[in-house]
Amino acid sequence: NAGVTQTPKFRVLKTGQSMTLLCAQDMNHEYMYWYRQDPGMGLRLIHYSVGEGTTAKGEVPDGYNVSRLKKQNFLLGLESAAPSQTSVYFCASSNVVTDTQYFGPGTRLTVL
Amino acid sequence: AQSVTQPDIHITVSEGASLELRCNYSYGATPYLFWYVQSPGQGLQLLLKYFSGDTLVQGIKGFEAEFKRSQSSFNLRKPSVHWSDAAEYFCAVGESKLIFGAGTRLAVHP
Repeated sequence: NAGVTQTPKFRVLKTGQSMTLLCAQDMNHEYMYWYRQDPGMGLRLIHYSVGEGTTAKGEVPDGYNVSRLKKQNFLLGLESAAPSQTSVYFCASSNVVTDTQYFGPGTRLTVL
Repeated sequence: AQSVTQPDIHITVSEGASLELRCNYSYGATPYLFWYVQSPGQGLQLLLKYFSGDTLVQGIKGFEAEFKRSQSSFNLRKPSVHWSDAAEYFCAVGESKLIFGAGTRLAVHP
């Protein structure tokens, strides 16, 4: 039981490049989330999903897209990376809306 | 607007001393409240949560928090801090979408 895993752990991009971050959970959770963490700002919700095939915008969705084709996976895409997207990205999942969110170890992304 | 404020960016305490981390929130409905801890280079781990009922909530690692509706606060406490408690602590409010505070970084002196 690995919990929530994220791939990759580190990535460096040039401005304008694209990439996809993968989040996988093996707890059969319905809800999945993508957050970004920036110094002094806590975590901010980018997008989330309440079930397979559904996604919704969070607090800071611009510049990101997501997909939830399989219940266990939640993908975060950057189509054209910008330096402002340099951050640490965390994925989380929960069983029901009021349940504990379990977090992955994070992906550190640098956009030059 | 919904928000969470953690007034203390950094706190330093001596090992064995008591600890209180402050959290104030602004939320339209009855809030669901959480405290998470993040060790360096790690993801977040839930310490405790409040949904309803008893306003004093017990969590893991000897932490507790008290919900005070009149003060819109959910402060985290521990009677005796251990060196391993050094980490960053986040208060959060919400249901399907959590709103996090900016965090309080705790340092523990031996």
